[in-house]
Amino acid sequence: AQSVTQLGSHVSVSEGALVLLRCNYSSSVPPYLFWYVQYPNQGLQLLLKYTSAATLVKGINGFEAEFKKSETSFHLTKPSAHMSDAAEYFCAVRGSNAGKSTFGDGTTLTVKP
Amino acid sequence: DAGVTQSPTHLIKTRGQQVTLRCSPKSGHDTVSWYQQALGQGPQFIFQYYEEEERQRGNFPDRFSGHQFPNYSSELNVNALLLGDSALYLCASSLEGIREYTEAFFGQGTRLTVV
Repeated sequence: AQSVTQLGSHVSVSEGALVLLRCNYSSSVPPYLFWYVQYPNQGLQLLLKYTSAATLVKGINGFEAEFKKSETSFHLTKPSAHMSDAAEYFCAVRGSNAGKSTFGDGTTLTVKP
Repeated sequence: DAGVTQSPTHLIKTRGQQVTLRCSPKSGHDTVSWYQQALGQGPQFIFQYYEEEERQRGNFPDRFSGHQFPNYSSELNVNALLLGDSALYLCASSLEGIREYTEAFFGQGTRLTVV
C-alpha cells in the first residue's frame, strides 16, 4: 500500500522568497518519489524524481527535494520564487518500477509581487 | 517526438451516454496508464495496460473500461456517464518490463464535462 500527504493545500510566498512545499509518503516497499507541476488546463510536468540514488535531488527550474527515509518525507524547495512558479504542485509515490503512481491532493503555490 | 498525445482535448456529454478517449504513447513506450483528476484534487489511478492487457486497476467501477492496441495506443471507455465523471482524464506512458526505472510521461489530458 502507498499513500501521499501534502501538508498545506495553499502556500503563498513573495517573489524572491524561499519556496517550501511539504510531502510525506507511506510505502510498504522502497519508493520512487516524484514532484509534478500543473499549470491551469494542462497536464503534469515532471519537476524531479527520487529513484534510490542520491537523496538530494535537483530538478528543473531551480527546484530540489531531499528524500528523508527516517521522516518519510520528500519536501520540495526553491531558494527564490519567481512569478512563473505559481501553479499546482503534486507529490507522488510509486512502489515499484512498474505500476501505478499515487498522488497527493496538491498544493497551490501563489507568488506575490 | 510528439510525446504523449490525447484526443479530444475537450468533450461535453449528456448523462447516460458513453464516451471514448484516446491516447498515443510517447515513441518507444509500451505501457499506458489512465488517471482521473477531478477539480481541485490529485490524479486518481484508473488502470494500466501493458501488452494489450489490463495489468493493474484502481478503485473504479466496471463502467470504466479500456483497451490497448498492438501499436501501444490506448482507449478509455466510460459507459452510462454520471455527472460525477466530469474530470480531466490524463494518460501516462512509460516503458515497463525492464529492471531499470523509466520515467512516465503525461499527456495534456481530455477535459470531460457531463451535463
